[in-house]
Amino acid sequence: QITLKESGPTVVKPTQTLTLTCTFAGLSLSTNRVGVGWIRQPPGKALEWLALVYWDDDKRYSPSLKSRLTIIRDTSKNQVVLSMTNMDPLDTGTYYCALLLTGDWYFDLWGRGTLVTVSS
Amino acid sequence: SSELTQDPAVSVALGQTVRITCQGDSLRSYYASWYQQKPGQAPALVVYGINSRPSGIPDRFSGSKSGNTASLIITGAQAEDEADYYCSSRDSSGSHLVVFGGGTKLTVL
Repeated sequence: QITLKESGPTVVKPTQTLTLTCTFAGLSLSTNRVGVGWIRQPPGKALEWLALVYWDDDKRYSPSLKSRLTIIRDTSKNQVVLSMTNMDPLDTGTYYCALLLTGDWYFDLWGRGTLVTVSS
Repeated sequence: SSELTQDPAVSVALGQTVRITCQGDSLRSYYASWYQQKPGQAPALVVYGINSRPSGIPDRFSGSKSGNTASLIITGAQAEDEADYYCSSRDSSGSHLVVFGGGTKLTVL
């Protein structure tokens, strides 16, 4: 059974850097044609894709947030880490990690999400 | 274009059929995937590819695509289908990016 779980701070201050960890079990990020992505959702609003790391360590970022994002995989720990710099109250929301299968390009499984509030 | 457009809200009478649409240039080249999100829960995949469903998703959920429009069809909507639905696909630039639609709130009357 594949599971994904997000972890990180629940509150960050404006201008700080947010670091979130996605820990997964039951899969290897070295498996061909898989990836792990981060998606966020402000309260009451739509999903927004942030970043992806693929099985071959290729990385992709949302063009609108690329300058603030870094995604790193650690295959030995089965983790994917997302960093977002210069946090703003508008970045408040639930952050999800999800398993991407690139055959038909879909997020097959999602973590439960972690709520991050940006406030001084 | 990197945008997918969905109607904000759709309603359907209990037991009737409803189509939720998603429009975007990327859909001319790629399939959409569809996600159901109920209040307080993470999104869950319901349809992907040509017309595939994950294990456990009822067969009343199906998908189709024509031109730049993808559709999620619920045949015989049930009360438990009331939720937000999001479409997603690869970005049309070919850069292995992802895009989501703005979501559709489905109300079952």
